[in-house]
Amino acid sequence: TQLLEQSPQFLSIQEGENLTVYCNSSSVFSSLQWYRQEPGEGPVLLVTVVTGGEVKKLKRLTFQFGDARKDSSLHITAAQPGDTGLYLCAAHNNNDMRFGAGTRLTVKP
Amino acid sequence: DAGITQSPRHKVTETGTPVTLRCHQTENHRYMYWYRQDPGHGLRLIHYSYGVKDTDKGEVSDGYSVSRSKTEDFLLTLESATSSQTSVYFCATRGRWDQTYNEQFFGPGTRLTVL
Repeated sequence: TQLLEQSPQFLSIQEGENLTVYCNSSSVFSSLQWYRQEPGEGPVLLVTVVTGGEVKKLKRLTFQFGDARKDSSLHITAAQPGDTGLYLCAAHNNNDMRFGAGTRLTVKP
Repeated sequence: DAGITQSPRHKVTETGTPVTLRCHQTENHRYMYWYRQDPGHGLRLIHYSYGVKDTDKGEVSDGYSVSRSKTEDFLLTLESATSSQTSVYFCATRGRWDQTYNEQFFGPGTRLTVL
């Protein structure tokens, strides 16, 4: 069982559409991170959320940390083909970092 | 960009042979990690290091060992490779243990195939 459950696992949409992906857990975290990974490369950090209820915006990407600090969402407005990639959430668990299995997003032109 | 390199980038080996993957960083980061990435599982932690000669097991450590004799190098060894260890392996580093600076920087990955 994954510590962090991400949904959906796959998402294919047309350019210009909006989408939301989710990261859920039964555990409480002091912080949670979102990474994006492109084919053939390592993940790259997008954002870290720390406070329950926190909302952070990165251009067309909006990240929210749940009030109870157990879950998070990533909303993309007007998706573009350049947003295509694997989106991973991650959180510290004791001394190590745990990742969700990811949401693989494809944005078609 | 944290200046992380991994070698080799691709390797094909046979079951039962030993394999060593190398991670090299130029940022003087204290923490280093080895992950494997498989479809449907995301990134799973194999081993990590919190300083020279200080290492600990991660979620999927069976069949793997690590060594860190210098700050900049973290080696992952498969003593006797098995087909279940076919995967893409990522090294990562992190500079400081506090919630503001806990970003991990990843290397480009090593694709290992065990026949």
